[in-house]
Amino acid sequence: QSALTQPPSASGSPGQSVTISCTGTTTDVGDYDYVSWYQQHPGKAPKLIIYEVNKRPSGVPDRFSGSKSGNTASLTVSGLQAEDEADYYCNSYAGTNNWGLFGGGTKLTVL
Amino acid sequence: EVQLVESGGDLVQPGRSLRLSCAASGFMFDDSAMHWVRQAPGKGLEWVAGISWDSHFIAYADSVRGRFTISRDNAKNFLFLEMNSLRAEDTALYYCVKDFGELVVSCYFDSWGQGTLVTVSS
Repeated sequence: QSALTQPPSASGSPGQSVTISCTGTTTDVGDYDYVSWYQQHPGKAPKLIIYEVNKRPSGVPDRFSGSKSGNTASLTVSGLQAEDEADYYCNSYAGTNNWGLFGGGTKLTVL
Repeated sequence: EVQLVESGGDLVQPGRSLRLSCAASGFMFDDSAMHWVRQAPGKGLEWVAGISWDSHFIAYADSVRGRFTISRDNAKNFLFLEMNSLRAEDTALYYCVKDFGELVVSCYFDSWGQGTLVTVSS
């Protein structure tokens, strides 16, 4: 099964909003609401920031929000801050034989 | 505090085997599903394998199915990954990852170790 499709890069100025897309198929993103997003700073382990499409774990700022329409999920970062500069990965459940299909990742640059 | 400490990564020749271990602490290990996720140098994340809290449910990525085996020891709070017939494309940092759910397999990855590096090269 192919990886989910994300744009390789995204950018925005401090205070602005940026949205990162994650496109799958009818057998993963389109078929399940088990979409999650991860933030990874250079040299660090990833961090869960969104689960079940639009829920935030405790401690994650509400500047991070998620949504889904059809086969495409999206992560929106509002009020961009310098510390938001990182790689972002989406993930979707894709059936009993594939518990975690990742996107290729998006490098977010805060200008 | 959740702690996941991986070990066992090494430089190995193609076709050889390797066993990774993950020592878990700071949470109810026997209530949590666990996963292995890998990241090739400079590349993205790839889910490798997952196991339910009671080992009843196990799944593998297509790229490793038939070569890798995930297992756990709930008495000692350890997760393992047995890797056979290693290939150059298995070269990666392997993360031990705790599932977000309790007594369910949520397939959300909420705590990560620092990883152990596996290099497959002749």
